[in-house]
Amino acid sequence: GAVVSQHPSRVICKSGTSVKIECRSLDFQATTMFWYRQFPKQSLMLMATSNEGSKATYEQGVEKDKFLINHASLTLSTLTVTSAHPEDSSFYICSAVGGVGNIQYFGAGTRLSVL
Amino acid sequence: QKEVEQNSGPLSVPEGAIASLNCTYSDRGSQSFFWYRQYSGKSPELIMSIYSNGDKEDGRFTAQLNKASQYVSLLIRDSQPSDSATYLCAEVDNAGNNRKLIWGLGTSLGVNP
Repeated sequence: GAVVSQHPSRVICKSGTSVKIECRSLDFQATTMFWYRQFPKQSLMLMATSNEGSKATYEQGVEKDKFLINHASLTLSTLTVTSAHPEDSSFYICSAVGGVGNIQYFGAGTRLSVL
Repeated sequence: QKEVEQNSGPLSVPEGAIASLNCTYSDRGSQSFFWYRQYSGKSPELIMSIYSNGDKEDGRFTAQLNKASQYVSLLIRDSQPSDSATYLCAEVDNAGNNRKLIWGLGTSLGVNP
């Protein structure tokens, strides 16, 4: 199956700092990647759609200036949480579309804790 | 507003039994459906995709699609404690061409040894 790598797996940072999360498709090219956020015991929430070579499309209520997305190549998308605050602490998960059937495959997720 | 609905559970079955998970969707034009499994604290992993009416089997898992009734189900035979997880049903949003998924809220399954 298609493999999606996400790094780092866990980040602990101070309030006000920025954190970058990388999502790579390892064995396929992904023109589209998605970024999700999930709070404990809640469902997946789509934050944005990342398209290679163009601006990301953000879901309603997601601040594009706070969550910067760059999809510079067909195998890499990055999410930068700028000026992180404790309320940004969450589980961030990326997925990439590819493989047979153009299916969404997920990275392992990044657990962000902002102190 | 397109929706995918699942019973949140929890669904509890004894080890070795058949677990039946159900999902309904509102968009009659939907073509592509997926079942993902998510263990607590982990990201979702794909179990099955299904695009045509009828059954699709893969090992202990069988997905069933009925487009006329707009439901998708997942049967897990010989359930094991390791199957205890949240099962997410999803469909492709046909409004765009980027394979965005519309997600159900998930059904929590517990398999008791």
